[in-house]
Amino acid sequence: GQNIDQPTEMTATEGAIVQINCTYQTSGFNGLFWYQQHAGEAPTFLSYNVLDGLEEKGRFSSFLSRSKGYSYLLLKELQMKDSASYLCAAGTDSWGKLQFGAGTQVVVTP
Amino acid sequence: GAVVSQHPSWVICKSGTSVKIECRSLDFQATTMFWYRQFPKQSLMLMATSNEGSKATYEQGVEKDKFLINHASLTLSTLTVTSAHPEDSSFYICSARVNWRGRETQYFGPGTRLLVL
Repeated sequence: GQNIDQPTEMTATEGAIVQINCTYQTSGFNGLFWYQQHAGEAPTFLSYNVLDGLEEKGRFSSFLSRSKGYSYLLLKELQMKDSASYLCAAGTDSWGKLQFGAGTQVVVTP
Repeated sequence: GAVVSQHPSWVICKSGTSVKIECRSLDFQATTMFWYRQFPKQSLMLMATSNEGSKATYEQGVEKDKFLINHASLTLSTLTVTSAHPEDSSFYICSARVNWRGRETQYFGPGTRLLVL
């Protein structure tokens, strides 16, 4: 079956680095997405990995290993506004359908 | 990034009424849109895939006669919750698929909060 696993919650201090891991088991995999969702709001797109390796975009980086069914999102120089839920999602078919994980709540403390 | 709008952002209705939610891609054409539902403190649950000019594909457990989806144009998909009941109260979010030079992205609308009394 389809399964996306990520930790429920992570806490870190302002200025620190946090790495959110995601493991997936899906059929028809065609890419791994990361989204940020603040409470009460819709998700916003952060990154998309389809090939193995690291993609860096400012303070955020995302890594994918297709052979291991593993991805991580790295948040550097944490800011208070980074407190949010981070959703890992796997593309599962040619139509672009996404399977979402339950989300990781990141709490940034002063 | 691309902009997706949803209307209305809030709906409060009586049990038994029907509610229509619109999802528009504002600066691009989207042949495929998706409808999700999210309950408090839970992740997004895909309800259906909406393809322009064809019938929507519903996920297992989602009643197609209760959640009517129409993708009438390349920039508009609508979700109608028919005969809404309190258990239908949720956060409904649409997304539009963009595939540019082989890179996939889905952009989400701001969501519609539905409260059925």
